[in-house]
Amino acid sequence: GQNIDQPTEMTATEGAIVQINCTYQTSGFNGLFWYQQHAGEAPTFLSYNVLDGLEEKGRFSSFLSRSKGYSYLLLKELQMKDSASYLCAVRISNDYKLSFGAGTTVTVRA
Amino acid sequence: GAVVSQHPSRVICKSGTSVKIECRSLDFQATTMFWYRQFPKQSLMLMATSNEGSKATYEQGVEKDKFLINHASLTLSTLTVTSAHPEDSSFYICSAPRLAGSHTDTQYFGPGTRLTVL
Repeated sequence: GQNIDQPTEMTATEGAIVQINCTYQTSGFNGLFWYQQHAGEAPTFLSYNVLDGLEEKGRFSSFLSRSKGYSYLLLKELQMKDSASYLCAVRISNDYKLSFGAGTTVTVRA
Repeated sequence: GAVVSQHPSRVICKSGTSVKIECRSLDFQATTMFWYRQFPKQSLMLMATSNEGSKATYEQGVEKDKFLINHASLTLSTLTVTSAHPEDSSFYICSAPRLAGSHTDTQYFGPGTRLTVL
């Protein structure tokens, strides 16, 4: 089976930085996604890492180490609207099948 | 704007009835689409892979006779929940990969369909 682990909850203050870690042990690996999901809505795409290293997109950055089976999503300059669930998902095959972690609920406080 | 749409967004039905959910890719063709189910406070669980022109492939534990999938065209996949029961109440989400070269591939999700079976 697929094993993708991420913390259940995290809380941070507006303007701060939060790092969400994701470790994975999967039958295959063709890239790792991070999605943001607000309650009652579908996930929205944040980042996709297939090579080792850091990908930066504005306030969001994602890092991947394939040898360690590890990724993190870094959220900078937190805003209240960043309060959401963040899903780590591994593309385990060439047909784009994704296996999701349980999600990390981030709460941003004023 | 949205690149994958779903219809309906919300449906309430009586136990024993069938419900059809449509998933459309709006400005690209998708030979493959995926159907997920999400229960409250849980992550997305892949139910099946919808393949244009061929049978869907189902994940272990998902009843193919209960969740009928038809990928009628390169932009449309439908999921029919047959003889729905209260335990089928969930958030159903489809997704479609948009392939643009391995480094820029991404997968777009539809807005989801909230199914409530009374």
